[in-house]
Amino acid sequence: DGGITQSPKYLFRKEGQNVTLSCEQNLNHDAMYWYRQDPGQGLRLIYYSQIVNDFQKGDIAEGYSVSREKKESFPLTVTSAQKNPTAFYLCASSTTGAPDTEAFFGQGTRLTVV
Amino acid sequence: GENVEQHPSTLSVQEGDSAVIKCTYSDSASNYFPWYKQELGKGPQLIIDIRSNVGEKKDQRIAVTLNKTAKHFSLHITETQPEDSAVYFCAAGHSGTYKYIFGTGTRLKVLA
Repeated sequence: DGGITQSPKYLFRKEGQNVTLSCEQNLNHDAMYWYRQDPGQGLRLIYYSQIVNDFQKGDIAEGYSVSREKKESFPLTVTSAQKNPTAFYLCASSTTGAPDTEAFFGQGTRLTVV
Repeated sequence: GENVEQHPSTLSVQEGDSAVIKCTYSDSASNYFPWYKQELGKGPQLIIDIRSNVGEKKDQRIAVTLNKTAKHFSLHITETQPEDSAVYFCAAGHSGTYKYIFGTGTRLKVLA
Protein backbone atom coordinates (compact mmCIF):
# COMPACT_ATOMS: atom_id res chain seq x y z
CA ASP A 1 0.00 0.00 0.00
CA GLY A 2 1.17 3.51 -0.76
CA GLY A 3 1.46 5.92 2.06
CA ILE A 4 3.52 8.05 4.35
CA THR A 5 5.14 6.53 7.43
CA GLN A 6 6.44 8.31 10.48
CA SER A 7 8.51 6.71 13.18
CA PRO A 8 8.64 6.39 16.07
CA LYS A 9 5.08 7.02 17.20
CA TYR A 10 6.26 8.15 20.64
CA LEU A 11 9.64 9.64 21.47
CA PHE A 12 11.10 10.82 24.73
CA ARG A 13 14.07 13.16 24.86
CA LYS A 14 16.19 14.44 27.68
CA GLU A 15 16.86 18.14 27.73
CA GLY A 16 19.97 19.03 25.76
CA GLN A 17 19.71 16.07 23.38
CA ASN A 18 19.10 16.13 19.68
CA VAL A 19 16.55 13.68 18.30
CA THR A 20 15.62 12.74 14.74
CA LEU A 21 12.12 11.96 13.57
CA SER A 22 11.76 9.75 10.52
CA CYS A 23 9.38 10.34 7.60
CA GLU A 24 9.22 8.04 4.57
CA GLN A 25 6.76 8.07 1.65
CA ASN A 26 6.28 5.67 -1.23
CA LEU A 27 3.80 7.83 -3.11
CA ASN A 28 6.44 9.20 -5.47
CA HIS A 29 5.60 12.71 -4.28
CA ASP A 30 8.00 15.53 -4.98
CA ALA A 31 7.05 17.73 -2.02
CA MET A 32 7.33 16.94 1.66
CA TYR A 33 6.52 18.97 4.76
CA TRP A 34 6.96 18.99 8.52
CA TYR A 35 4.31 20.51 10.76
CA ARG A 36 4.12 21.00 14.48
CA GLN A 37 0.79 20.66 16.29
CA ASP A 38 0.17 22.02 19.77
CA PRO A 39 -3.10 21.72 21.73
CA GLY A 40 -5.70 24.21 20.59
CA GLN A 41 -3.61 25.43 17.68
CA GLY A 42 -3.56 24.81 14.01
CA LEU A 43 -0.71 23.12 12.22
CA ARG A 44 2.38 25.27 11.93
CA LEU A 45 4.91 24.70 9.17
CA ILE A 46 8.48 23.94 10.26
CA TYR A 47 10.22 23.07 6.99
CA TYR A 48 9.23 22.05 3.52
CA SER A 49 10.96 20.55 0.51
CA GLN A 50 9.66 20.81 -3.03
CA ILE A 51 12.34 18.63 -4.57
CA VAL A 52 15.26 16.41 -3.64
CA ASN A 53 18.30 18.23 -2.25
CA ASP A 54 16.33 21.39 -1.65
CA PHE A 55 14.37 22.57 1.38
CA GLN A 56 13.10 25.83 2.81
CA LYS A 57 12.30 27.18 6.25
CA GLY A 58 8.70 27.45 7.26
CA ASP A 59 7.20 29.69 9.92
CA ILE A 60 8.84 28.10 12.98
CA ALA A 61 12.16 26.63 11.76
CA GLU A 62 14.31 27.79 14.68
CA GLY A 63 15.75 24.85 16.60
CA TYR A 64 15.00 22.34 13.83
CA SER A 65 16.96 20.97 10.88
CA VAL A 66 16.09 18.73 7.94
CA SER A 67 17.67 16.96 5.00
CA ARG A 68 16.28 15.71 1.70
CA GLU A 69 18.87 13.38 0.21
CA LYS A 70 16.30 10.99 -1.20
CA LYS A 71 12.91 11.65 -2.73
CA GLU A 72 11.16 9.31 -0.34
CA SER A 73 12.76 10.50 2.89
CA PHE A 74 12.58 13.78 4.84
CA PRO A 75 13.93 13.38 8.39
CA LEU A 76 13.50 16.14 10.97
CA THR A 77 16.05 16.76 13.71
CA VAL A 78 14.90 18.56 16.82
CA THR A 79 17.99 20.17 18.27
CA SER A 80 18.78 21.29 21.79
CA ALA A 81 18.26 24.85 20.55
CA GLN A 82 14.50 24.23 20.35
CA LYS A 83 13.30 25.60 23.67
CA ASN A 84 9.88 23.99 23.78
CA PRO A 85 10.05 20.80 21.72
CA THR A 86 7.24 18.83 23.38
CA ALA A 87 4.56 18.56 20.67
CA PHE A 88 2.93 16.34 18.09
CA TYR A 89 4.90 16.36 14.83
CA LEU A 90 3.27 15.64 11.49
CA CYS A 91 4.94 14.90 8.20
CA ALA A 92 3.08 15.34 4.92
CA SER A 93 3.69 14.97 1.22
CA SER A 94 2.03 16.13 -1.99
CA THR A 95 2.57 15.49 -5.67
CA THR A 96 4.04 18.93 -6.21
CA GLY A 97 4.91 21.83 -3.98
CA ALA A 98 1.85 23.77 -5.06
CA PRO A 99 -0.54 24.27 -2.13
CA ASP A 100 -3.56 23.64 -4.29
CA THR A 101 -2.97 19.91 -4.29
CA GLU A 102 -3.91 17.39 -1.65
CA ALA A 103 -1.45 16.84 1.17
CA PHE A 104 -1.22 13.35 2.64
CA PHE A 105 -0.26 13.15 6.30
CA GLY A 106 1.55 10.55 8.32
CA GLN A 107 0.28 9.29 11.66
CA GLY A 108 2.49 11.64 13.62
CA THR A 109 5.21 11.42 16.25
CA ARG A 110 4.56 12.62 19.77
CA LEU A 111 7.75 14.03 21.25
CA THR A 112 8.05 14.56 24.98
CA VAL A 113 10.98 16.17 26.73
CA VAL A 114 11.68 14.60 30.10
CA GLY B 1 -0.21 38.40 8.17
CA GLU B 2 -2.23 35.68 6.50
CA ASN B 3 -4.53 33.78 8.79
CA VAL B 4 -7.56 31.51 8.85
CA GLU B 5 -10.10 31.84 11.63
CA GLN B 6 -12.18 28.79 12.47
CA HIS B 7 -15.33 28.58 14.61
CA PRO B 8 -16.51 27.07 16.80
CA SER B 9 -13.61 25.49 18.67
CA THR B 10 -15.89 22.78 20.05
CA LEU B 11 -19.24 21.55 18.81
CA SER B 12 -21.55 18.95 20.29
CA VAL B 13 -24.53 17.62 18.33
CA GLN B 14 -26.99 14.81 18.77
CA GLU B 15 -26.64 11.87 16.46
CA GLY B 16 -28.62 12.50 13.30
CA ASP B 17 -28.42 16.28 13.56
CA SER B 18 -26.35 18.49 11.26
CA ALA B 19 -23.05 20.15 12.11
CA VAL B 20 -21.62 23.30 10.56
CA ILE B 21 -18.06 24.59 10.93
CA LYS B 22 -17.09 27.97 9.56
CA CYS B 23 -13.80 29.46 8.43
CA THR B 24 -12.74 32.91 7.30
CA TYR B 25 -9.52 33.58 5.43
CA SER B 26 -7.60 36.79 4.98
CA ASP B 27 -5.57 36.26 1.80
CA SER B 28 -7.75 37.16 -1.18
CA ALA B 29 -5.38 35.22 -3.45
CA SER B 30 -6.34 31.91 -1.81
CA ASN B 31 -7.89 29.53 -4.31
CA TYR B 32 -7.87 26.11 -2.65
CA PHE B 33 -9.72 25.18 0.53
CA PRO B 34 -9.30 21.68 1.94
CA TRP B 35 -10.94 20.24 5.03
CA TYR B 36 -9.15 17.65 7.12
CA LYS B 37 -10.47 15.25 9.75
CA GLN B 38 -8.12 14.19 12.52
CA GLU B 39 -8.96 11.31 14.80
CA LEU B 40 -7.28 10.96 18.17
CA GLY B 41 -3.59 10.16 17.89
CA LYS B 42 -3.62 10.11 14.09
CA GLY B 43 -2.63 12.39 11.26
CA PRO B 44 -5.19 14.57 9.46
CA GLN B 45 -7.00 13.07 6.50
CA LEU B 46 -8.53 15.04 3.65
CA ILE B 47 -12.31 14.66 3.58
CA ILE B 48 -13.32 17.27 1.01
CA ASP B 49 -11.86 20.25 -0.79
CA ILE B 50 -13.09 23.09 -2.95
CA ARG B 51 -11.48 25.43 -5.42
CA SER B 52 -12.30 29.07 -5.90
CA ASN B 53 -14.08 28.55 -9.20
CA VAL B 54 -16.78 26.52 -7.45
CA GLY B 55 -19.35 27.69 -4.90
CA GLU B 56 -20.40 24.37 -3.43
CA LYS B 57 -19.29 20.77 -3.45
CA LYS B 58 -20.98 17.70 -1.96
CA ASP B 59 -19.84 14.20 -1.18
CA GLN B 60 -22.53 12.07 0.42
CA ARG B 61 -23.14 13.52 3.91
CA ILE B 62 -20.55 16.25 3.72
CA ALA B 63 -20.58 19.48 1.77
CA VAL B 64 -18.47 22.58 1.58
CA THR B 65 -19.61 26.04 0.53
CA LEU B 66 -17.43 28.95 -0.48
CA ASN B 67 -18.24 32.66 -0.53
CA LYS B 68 -15.26 34.35 -2.17
CA THR B 69 -16.63 37.83 -1.71
CA ALA B 70 -16.91 37.41 2.03
CA LYS B 71 -13.85 35.13 2.22
CA HIS B 72 -15.89 32.53 4.06
CA PHE B 73 -16.08 28.79 3.60
CA SER B 74 -17.99 26.25 5.62
CA LEU B 75 -18.18 22.51 6.20
CA HIS B 76 -21.61 20.93 6.55
CA ILE B 77 -22.10 17.41 7.87
CA THR B 78 -25.63 16.02 7.74
CA GLU B 79 -27.09 13.02 9.57
CA THR B 80 -24.12 12.96 11.92
CA GLN B 81 -22.90 9.65 13.31
CA PRO B 82 -20.70 8.84 16.32
CA GLU B 83 -17.80 8.05 13.98
CA ASP B 84 -17.89 11.65 12.79
CA SER B 85 -16.49 12.65 16.19
CA ALA B 86 -13.02 14.08 15.57
CA VAL B 87 -11.14 17.35 15.18
CA TYR B 88 -11.76 19.11 11.87
CA PHE B 89 -9.32 21.58 10.34
CA CYS B 90 -9.92 23.98 7.51
CA ALA B 91 -7.07 25.40 5.45
CA ALA B 92 -6.49 27.89 2.67
CA GLY B 93 -3.78 27.90 0.05
CA HIS B 94 -2.93 29.38 -3.30
CA SER B 95 -0.57 28.52 -6.08
CA GLY B 96 1.61 31.58 -5.48
CA THR B 97 2.89 30.25 -2.15
CA TYR B 98 4.28 27.02 -0.82
CA LYS B 99 1.95 26.29 2.06
CA TYR B 100 -1.51 26.06 3.47
CA ILE B 101 -2.66 28.26 6.32
CA PHE B 102 -4.56 26.08 8.77
CA GLY B 103 -7.40 27.03 11.07
CA THR B 104 -7.15 26.20 14.77
CA GLY B 105 -9.49 23.22 14.57
CA THR B 106 -12.98 22.28 15.74
CA ARG B 107 -13.55 19.37 18.07
CA LEU B 108 -16.83 17.76 17.02
CA LYS B 109 -18.61 15.43 19.40
CA VAL B 110 -21.58 13.46 18.16
CA LEU B 111 -23.68 12.29 21.07
CA ALA B 112 -25.45 8.95 20.71
